[in-house]
Amino acid sequence: RKEVEQDPGPFNVPEGATVAFNCTYSNSASQSFFWYRQDCRKEPKLLMSVYSSGNEDGRFTAQLNRASQYISLLIRDSKLSDSATYLCVVTNNAGNMLTFGGGTRLMVKP
Amino acid sequence: NAGVTQTPKFQVLKTGQSMTLQCAQDMNHNSMYWYRQDPGMGLRLIYYSASEGTTDKGEVPNGYNVSRLNKREFSLRLESAAPSQTSVYFCASSEALAQPSGYTFGSGTRLTVV
Repeated sequence: RKEVEQDPGPFNVPEGATVAFNCTYSNSASQSFFWYRQDCRKEPKLLMSVYSSGNEDGRFTAQLNRASQYISLLIRDSKLSDSATYLCVVTNNAGNMLTFGGGTRLMVKP
Repeated sequence: NAGVTQTPKFQVLKTGQSMTLQCAQDMNHNSMYWYRQDPGMGLRLIYYSASEGTTDKGEVPNGYNVSRLNKREFSLRLESAAPSQTSVYFCASSEALAQPSGYTFGSGTRLTVV
């Protein structure tokens, strides 16, 4: 089983739609969780950390479910500029490194 | 605010040639990393350096060597390039391993081995 698994997509949504991605992880001892955004042919950039209590940043909401070992990212009122690949990132099994999921591609259409 | 700088941005090598990818960060970070990214494979860790003077293998170290030249610089060397090493290479840095605030990435090196 991969340490971090994501649906590769693509998710094709119209502008203004709400879209959600899930990511499952295998290490029950993971302590740190993140969502990164990667634009085509660019480097990954930190979108937001994911806290146990959940957190919100504008149109973006991240949730953590430790019992089921998944994290989610909800994007409300999608913009064309949200089109990118979203990488789920968690602490690795050894607890000393970040492990990246393969990413979920989002395409927002006019 | 340069962050993490990688050079070169693009490179084409012939099989068997050698080259060094350079990476420098100006954020006074302790830890640095080299990843490769291939379609459908995600980011895979090649080598990392937890702090100046230390380096360790990651998930896919074969065919590569690294040098942590000082706190700022971490280079990746391909001694004898192979077509399987065609990829996009990203350098990253963080204050410490598994840093809660995450990693900062360079803009990448696109390497083609023919």
